[in-house]
Amino acid sequence: ILNVEQSPQSLHVQEGDSTNFTCSFPSSNFYALHWYRWETAKSPEALFVMTLNGDEKKKGRISATLNTKEGYSYLYIKGSQPEDSATYLCAFMVNNAGNMLTFGGGTRLMVKP
Amino acid sequence: DAGVTQSPTHLIKTRGQHVTLRCSPISGHKSVSWYQQVLGQGPQFIFQYYEKEERGRGNFPDRFSARQFPNYSSELNVNALLLGDSALYLCASGQANYGYTFGSGTRLTVV
Repeated sequence: ILNVEQSPQSLHVQEGDSTNFTCSFPSSNFYALHWYRWETAKSPEALFVMTLNGDEKKKGRISATLNTKEGYSYLYIKGSQPEDSATYLCAFMVNNAGNMLTFGGGTRLMVKP
Repeated sequence: DAGVTQSPTHLIKTRGQHVTLRCSPISGHKSVSWYQQVLGQGPQFIFQYYEKEERGRGNFPDRFSARQFPNYSSELNVNALLLGDSALYLCASGQANYGYTFGSGTRLTVV
């Protein structure tokens, strides 16, 4: 059974604060690591797909890093805005599991104006 | 272009009944995956289908089954419903390398 852990479970920040979350995953048989943003009453939206150790991805104020050898990924949000309020999910994929994603429990971010 | 569409959006069933959930992938996408999301947890993989063939199955009992049609739409069937089957069921289409596109889900309540 694969175990994907995310921390913290929830986070309250003020508008303008920068923040980061952690995703921990098994370091063996790594294939890919996905990050999704899930706003209330909407569908999960893909942010990043990361496949190589040392990968860094960026989309606007959001960026992510990947360390496959130690089994973790960080998601950073610079200058948080209220519209960043959502649950951020990471999902791990092994290289022989039929494209199955194993999700962490998510980090719920609330940004106060 | 329509995204991933799921129907119905909400459903209430009684224990022991069966249910069919439907999903239409993004036009041109040949794979469909199903996930179950229980409140407070991340989505859990149930099935993936590609070109009408099952490509992956999660750790769910045989009461759960699925199929994919020639137009790539898919159905998820759950028999002998239990209270614990109450959840949000998500459908996703696309390719792993680009990130999946999810539907809005079907909220199933078993009473």
